[in-house]
Amino acid sequence: DVKVTQSSRYLVKRTGEKVFLECVQDMDHENMFWYRQDPGLGLRLIYFSYDVKMKEKGDIPEGYSVSREKKERFSLILESASTNQTSMYLCASSWGAPGETQYFGPGTRLLVL
Amino acid sequence: KQEVTQIPAALSVPEGENLVLNCSFTDSAIYNLQWFRQDPGKGLTSLLLIQSSQREQTSGRLNASLDKSSGRSTLYIAASQPGDSATYLCAVYSGNTGKLIFGQGTTLQVKP
Repeated sequence: DVKVTQSSRYLVKRTGEKVFLECVQDMDHENMFWYRQDPGLGLRLIYFSYDVKMKEKGDIPEGYSVSREKKERFSLILESASTNQTSMYLCASSWGAPGETQYFGPGTRLLVL
Repeated sequence: KQEVTQIPAALSVPEGENLVLNCSFTDSAIYNLQWFRQDPGKGLTSLLLIQSSQREQTSGRLNASLDKSSGRSTLYIAASQPGDSATYLCAVYSGNTGKLIFGQGTTLQVKP
């Protein structure tokens, strides 16, 4: 079974802190994605990566950056956390063509105070 | 710009009922359509993927259909069970955007 793990299920941070969210997949998938999910807005794509050291902006990249130094690991970085970044963050991975089935992690619920 | 809509937003049915969840999309130039399930506070689980050339896919009690020309998909759940209670999301993949575009989901409650 594909397994996508996220470093934390719940996280509380203060405004202005630098926040790291980590995602690891164990199926040698080429593609990895970061989404945020908010009530009334659904899932929105923040960043994605088709290969190691590659990254592409999604629909809402402002205030975020990413790092993919190894194939299995994709990190989302909030450079200076703000209260409007309080959200559920979901990581996903897929193999092959980007349209293939995405496998999601359990999510990280981030609260920024 | 591709938009995905799911109606209704919420649905409550008694156990054993057959039900249909609806998904519509505005741009028919899609590569595939995917249905996911999300339990409260959890990540998404892939249920079915229908390629643009296919009309339907089945997995157990689930059957998803796709009518690309009309921009519609349905997820049929047979003999619903309380364990089917969850939010169901559909998403379309358009090759020219490289992204999955999600609907906002239908939250299903199956009452014992």
